[in-house]
Amino acid sequence: AQTVTQSQPEMSVQEAETVTLSCTYDTSESNYYLFWYKQPPSRQMILVIRQEAYKQQNATENRFSVNFQKAAKSFSLKISDSQLGDTAMYFCAFMDSGGGADGLTFGKGTHLIIQP
Amino acid sequence: NAGVMQNPRHLVRRRGQEARLRCSPMKGHSHVYWYRQLPEEGLKFMVYLQKENIIDESGMPKERFSAEFPKEGPSILRIQQVVRGDSAAYFCASSPVRQTIPGELFFGEGSRLTVL
Repeated sequence: AQTVTQSQPEMSVQEAETVTLSCTYDTSESNYYLFWYKQPPSRQMILVIRQEAYKQQNATENRFSVNFQKAAKSFSLKISDSQLGDTAMYFCAFMDSGGGADGLTFGKGTHLIIQP
Repeated sequence: NAGVMQNPRHLVRRRGQEARLRCSPMKGHSHVYWYRQLPEEGLKFMVYLQKENIIDESGMPKERFSAEFPKEGPSILRIQQVVRGDSAAYFCASSPVRQTIPGELFFGEGSRLTVL
């Protein structure tokens, strides 16, 4: 079974700063997908960024980028030029390449607070 | 194109009553996942369904919980004889075809169940 660990329950930074959220995972699979989801106060889960394990290049979506270290089983999310609207819970998630018999496996989340 | 619709958004039940949560997937989506989010926790997979089929229910508690996705109408998650520990947010997600874009799940806004 896969596990996803987010070791930072809460982080707080000033607006416009850069922040990095950490995530580690454990799996015996060689091919899989990793995701970061954002859950704002509205509670809707929003996909932020996705990484395919067989791709060495780190995924980037505008201000969001990842640092994927496959050997270390690490998948951190970097948010540049942070904005007040980035305040939310952020969940790291894993899915094996078969689509996952159990869908996505989520970490416990990191509560990110952007201070004005 | 409406997103994933869940209702009710909030449901209050007394211990021993039944709770029924409904999920209408996005138009054209035939795959539905149910997840449960306990306070301070990430989402935990419960069940994966296609129309008229339960594909994987490995995350469902053995008793009191059931799910269906009929040919017509929404998917329903049913919890019988609710207990306080069932209090949680229940999220539904849908996808068009399971493995088209792994992890490309579209989430509803969740249904928050409170058991008194």
